[in-house]
Amino acid sequence: EDQVTQSPEALRLQEGESSSLNCSYTVSGLRGLFWYRQDPGKGPEFLFTLYSAGEEKEKERLKATLTKKESFLHITAPKPEDSATYLCAVRRNTDKLIFGTGTRLQVFP
Amino acid sequence: NAGVTQTPKFRILKIGQSMTLQCAQDMNHNYMYWYRQDPGMGLKLIYYSVGAGITDKGEVPNGYNVSRSTTEDFPLRLELAAPSQTSVYFCASSSSDRERGPLHFGNGTRLTVT
Repeated sequence: EDQVTQSPEALRLQEGESSSLNCSYTVSGLRGLFWYRQDPGKGPEFLFTLYSAGEEKEKERLKATLTKKESFLHITAPKPEDSATYLCAVRRNTDKLIFGTGTRLQVFP
Repeated sequence: NAGVTQTPKFRILKIGQSMTLQCAQDMNHNYMYWYRQDPGMGLKLIYYSVGAGITDKGEVPNGYNVSRSTTEDFPLRLELAAPSQTSVYFCASSSSDRERGPLHFGNGTRLTVT
């Protein structure tokens, strides 16, 4: 069965303390892995798309990487404004996305 | 630059009532989707559409209906509301480039059925 698992469920970091979020997947016919950021009371906001193992994307303090079984979202020197829930989703060889349950990140000053 | 607009933001329904959640996008996207998000669960696909006049069921379609008469609008109809339909509903759209297009989400409708 196709599955997307994110870990940890929640992460508390001190400002400046770098860390990584994990998204592991078992999906046949992967057609893209997506990272989204979701703030409370808002819809998910697109961050990155990765298509093949070894691919990396960066945006400000965020860097996403992809292997054949998992993706990491690395957060370097986070700030309080990076606090949000980060969602991972994979697209199979169809139009549909399968979402993980997210990692809730809190960054304290 | 509106993107995906959902109305209403909040709604409380009594069991057995019906309502329509509205969704409109101004990006000329062919693909549109309805998801529900429950605490501790991933987003679940209810229905989707690949273009005007074409709709299909997702993972959790029971109790819902959709229509797509224009490219811009994709309303979701709840008939005979039940407490199990208490959730946050998100509408999303993507370009017709199926291999490359991320989903763009609205800000959701929080529905409570009591």
